Amino acid sequence: EVQLVESGGGLVQPGGSLRLSCTASGFTFRTYWMNWVRQAPGKGLEWVANINQDGSDKSFVDSVKGRFTMSRDNAKNSLYLQMNSLRAEDTAIYYCVRDLSGGSCYWGQGILVTVSS
Amino acid sequence: QSVLTQPPSASGTPGQRVTISCSGSSSNIGRGTVNWYQQVPGTAPKLLIYRDSQRPSGVPDRFSGSKSGPSASLAISGLQSEDEADYYCAAWDDSLNGYVFGTGTKVTVL
Repeated sequence: EVQLVESGGGLVQPGGSLRLSCTASGFTFRTYWMNWVRQAPGKGLEWVANINQDGSDKSFVDSVKGRFTMSRDNAKNSLYLQMNSLRAEDTAIYYCVRDLSGGSCYWGQGILVTVSS
Repeated sequence: QSVLTQPPSASGTPGQRVTISCSGSSSNIGRGTVNWYQQVPGTAPKLLIYRDSQRPSGVPDRFSGSKSGPSASLAISGLQSEDEADYYCAAWDDSLNGYVFGTGTKVTVL
């Protein structure tokens, strides 16, 4: 069974940092593009970033460029999102997503990040 | 700010057909393929349609997708109560070098 389990969310003050993790199981993690997608409370979906199979190619939405980095460890079947200089507008549920634009798309259950003083 | 435009809401009675539009441009829908996602309130989204019109296994055939130029559509035939959800279109945008989602459409079964 495919599983994507996010962790590392929580409450952080503006300007602070947080590292999200996504642990994959049930499929060959190293063969897929992976993504982070977020959803602010009561709002729509927003793509945040993606990374290719070996981690050599990454893209980010403009609003997080220079603040967020993304990485993966294929030996640990894990995906990461390092979030620095957090702002109130980064408050959202963050989803780890496999193959977002393809037919093997699968979403994790999401993890809440709240940026507030 | 979404670059793909959807109607905010759509509704129908059980058994009716409902169509949701998704309007984009030549840098996204007009250039590549479209996926559709369904999100039941309080749950994670799930893939409904990929590559414009393909259904993943397990998705009922009452859901269908189509595309023409810079626009796409999702149709739900034989509407059922469990189809009450938010629906999002999405595509890669070459100008933004990023994946873009539609504004979302809330479907209500009357």
